Amino acid sequence: EAGVAQSPRYKIIEKRQSVAFWCNPISGHATLYWYQQILGQGPKLLIQFQNNGVVDDSQLPKDRFSAERLKGVDSTLKIQPAKLEDSAVYLCASSPGGWETDTQYFGPGTRLTVL
Amino acid sequence: GNSVTQMEGPVTLSEEAFLTINCTYTATGYPSLFWYVQYPGEGLQLLLKATKADDKGSNKGFEATYRKETTSFHLEKGSVQVSDSAVYFCALRYSGGSNYKLTFGKGTLLTVNP
Repeated sequence: EAGVAQSPRYKIIEKRQSVAFWCNPISGHATLYWYQQILGQGPKLLIQFQNNGVVDDSQLPKDRFSAERLKGVDSTLKIQPAKLEDSAVYLCASSPGGWETDTQYFGPGTRLTVL
Repeated sequence: GNSVTQMEGPVTLSEEAFLTINCTYTATGYPSLFWYVQYPGEGLQLLLKATKADDKGSNKGFEATYRKETTSFHLEKGSVQVSDSAVYFCALRYSGGSNYKLTFGKGTLLTVNP
């Protein structure tokens, strides 16, 4: 079974530029999560999708971050414009969905550096 | 709000030593508790979990017991190997609604020397 795929693996941009990350969850998984992991900290949830609907985006900085999950499969997370403090690893995870006991499976992450 | 506090790292041990990584939590209700591991260059992987008080999660020689009275979920292994070198994260998931987000601790870096 293929795992959660993310691209790119690394990205370096200047502040005020835009950037987008892509995630392909495990086939058949209804729930998709984006987490932000700042160096030295644990991951923090940015947004949770159930199919193509948003369940929780309370910690997503909506003035600069946006995310979508068209057709309930792949997802894109965008930052526009980026700030220095957005430097982090962005993790995508998926779970079968519908049950709180589901295991979340994580992708390898995208490491973003904002200069 | 919900939070997780982990033992500060890094932790350096010799092969075959006993490992304990402390984890305590603050949460309303009855959360599920998890340990995730992140090997160098890889994504987070679930190591073990416990969904109710007094449950013991175990995997690959690692164990952790959900202690409601002390709000703890300490990770232990009797004899570590070099291959156990990784960052370990304690996490909780609040029980309720359809929000399944994980709240993580800061992580503990473990290095095992031969």
